[in-house]
Amino acid sequence: QKEVEQDPGPLSVPEGAIVSLNCTYSNSAFQYFMWYRQYSRKGPELLMYTYSSGNKEDGRFTAQVDKSSKYISLFIRDSQPSDSATYLCAFDSGNTPLVFGKGTRLSVIA
Amino acid sequence: DTAVSQTPKYLVTQMGNDKSIKCEQNLGHDTMYWYKQDSKKFLKIMFSYNNKELIINETVPNRFSPKSPDKAHLNLHINSLELGDSAVYFCASSQDRVSRTQYFGPGTRLTVL
Repeated sequence: QKEVEQDPGPLSVPEGAIVSLNCTYSNSAFQYFMWYRQYSRKGPELLMYTYSSGNKEDGRFTAQVDKSSKYISLFIRDSQPSDSATYLCAFDSGNTPLVFGKGTRLSVIA
Repeated sequence: DTAVSQTPKYLVTQMGNDKSIKCEQNLGHDTMYWYKQDSKKFLKIMFSYNNKELIINETVPNRFSPKSPDKAHLNLHINSLELGDSAVYFCASSQDRVSRTQYFGPGTRLTVL
């Protein structure tokens, strides 16, 4: 079983749609859960960061962590063309390097 | 002001050559990283330095040698380049080795012919 699984997409949605991006993981030692956004030909930038199970909201973005199911999600409300990017989940056990998912490519069509 | 900068942005070279990529951060961070992102967008850590000291070395061939002259700079030298080295190399930094927030540079796209 891979340590992190993330559907690469591409995912294409109309402007204004609610987007759901997901990752599953197998390592129970992961304690920190992150979402990075990477625009084409740019470096990744941290979007959301959570420590425990539950939801965390920041504007149109909501990160959800279910540690019992080893499943994390990122929801984007009222998606905009400017949200078109690759979204990478990332995991941290606290004493090992970050482990990234392969990224999901999202296109929001105006 | 660019927080994490890398040079060059693009690098095209022949197999067997030696090349270097430079990284600088002006954030005052203690920890810096090199990542490799392959053609399938898989981002994987290669090295990490904390205050000029190597703390992570993730099973990278000896042809890759990082060097940190000071805590604001982390360079990557690659000897005897191979086709499989073609990728985008990202430098990143964080406040310290336990900080969860990493700031990435714009990447260096290396193509080995």
